[in-house]
Amino acid sequence: DTGVSQNPRHKITKRGQNVTFRCDPISEHNRLYWYRQTLGQGPEFLTYFQNEAQLEKSRLLSDRFSAERPKGSFSTLEIQRTEQGDSAMYLCASSLAQTSYEQYFGPGTRLTVT
Amino acid sequence: LAKTTQPISMDSYEGQEVNITCSHNNIATNDYITWYQQFPSQGPRFIIQGYKTKVTNEVASLFIPADRKSSTLSLPRVSLSDTAVYYCLVGPYSGNTPLVFGKGTRLSVIA
Repeated sequence: DTGVSQNPRHKITKRGQNVTFRCDPISEHNRLYWYRQTLGQGPEFLTYFQNEAQLEKSRLLSDRFSAERPKGSFSTLEIQRTEQGDSAMYLCASSLAQTSYEQYFGPGTRLTVT
Repeated sequence: LAKTTQPISMDSYEGQEVNITCSHNNIATNDYITWYQQFPSQGPRFIIQGYKTKVTNEVASLFIPADRKSSTLSLPRVSLSDTAVYYCLVGPYSGNTPLVFGKGTRLSVIA
């Protein structure tokens, strides 16, 4: 296992379309996080899972966003009815619960909404 | 969560030692100080974490004074490949508190 992977790396979509991103964490990590990053800003927390349970969601996560981690392994982040303001880098990270400040990030999925 | 303040940007020549200071006046007793590095178009990378005094690894050193109200990330003999954004974060070692990133310090290393 070489690290956290994310697919796709890039996604261009038209406004109003739905998109889904996938994250595969480091296999032994029980925590998985989603962040969003826009140009010039640090990553912003969206949500996280411990195993398959979604433990926290940021107020940034509108109703159009949903995340799942059905078997406690990979996770998906879906954005429905995309808006131009959703254009950003979506980052996934994983960690062990007992060392949650040491997170390992994937390369991100860059979303462009036209 | 303790708020952190760090310089927006720094420039350095190759081969120099770079020190990036982060202020965290409201750090709590159980908070650790963690630094991440982010290259363009990549996710952040954990580089070092400490609670007090000095921590050193193969990438950097972290100096934390006794009052813990600030910390300094030290990068020895930087190269062009150290050009990145460096984030200082403060929070518990483990728990349910998500990472809160500021804007970080953009380090530019010049040949």
